[in-house]
Amino acid sequence: SQQGEEDPQALSIQEGENATMNCSYKTSINNLQWYRQNSGRGLVHLILIRSNEREKHSGRLRVTLDTSKKSSSLLITASRAADTASYFCATDSNYQLIWGAGTKLIIKP
Amino acid sequence: GAVVSQHPSWVICKSGTSVKIECRSLDFQATTMFWYRQFPKQSLMLMATSNEGSKATYEQGVEKDKFLINHASLTLSTLTVTSAHPEDSSFYICSASGTGGQTQYFGPGTRLLVL
Repeated sequence: SQQGEEDPQALSIQEGENATMNCSYKTSINNLQWYRQNSGRGLVHLILIRSNEREKHSGRLRVTLDTSKKSSSLLITASRAADTASYFCATDSNYQLIWGAGTKLIIKP
Repeated sequence: GAVVSQHPSWVICKSGTSVKIECRSLDFQATTMFWYRQFPKQSLMLMATSNEGSKATYEQGVEKDKFLINHASLTLSTLTVTSAHPEDSSFYICSASGTGGQTQYFGPGTRLLVL
């Protein structure tokens, strides 16, 4: 079931700009994961951040986690047209993944 | 809402045996089904994408002869773990999407333990 909340639901920016997506959750977690889904394709794992971590980087991706606020953000820097996709967060709590509804990101050339 | 079921929900088998996992879309036609595996406290990893009536597309590093996928109808896809070994022990999850492919509906998962 999808109990996490992501905002914005949709985001459209110019190529080269930075994109920030947020995810909030309700329960205590072991870790939080971000995934990307291109239209009609399967989910692709991007980054996993553990509950005792506050920030993690992978290439142009930066993820932060604030367990006190039960929220996470995904920042994509210097966006490219190929970053156009839907982005989902999922929280791992008691070996169950709880999914957000996703943010649809469109990068305009 | 759309419902996806998986069977069995858990299975324990001996090393060397083959295990078949079924994924069914109960109230919609799934033109595309996805198979994932998840190790404890790790992320979901896409294994393969299957479209009804055609061969599955496997992700890099996934052995197609080891993980046989059949998507023979619009409501059923099967994943067979052949000659299973303890390192194949994992949580296997399928998801299905209908025409348009905008939304994926996840099955409850199958926990496999190979002894």
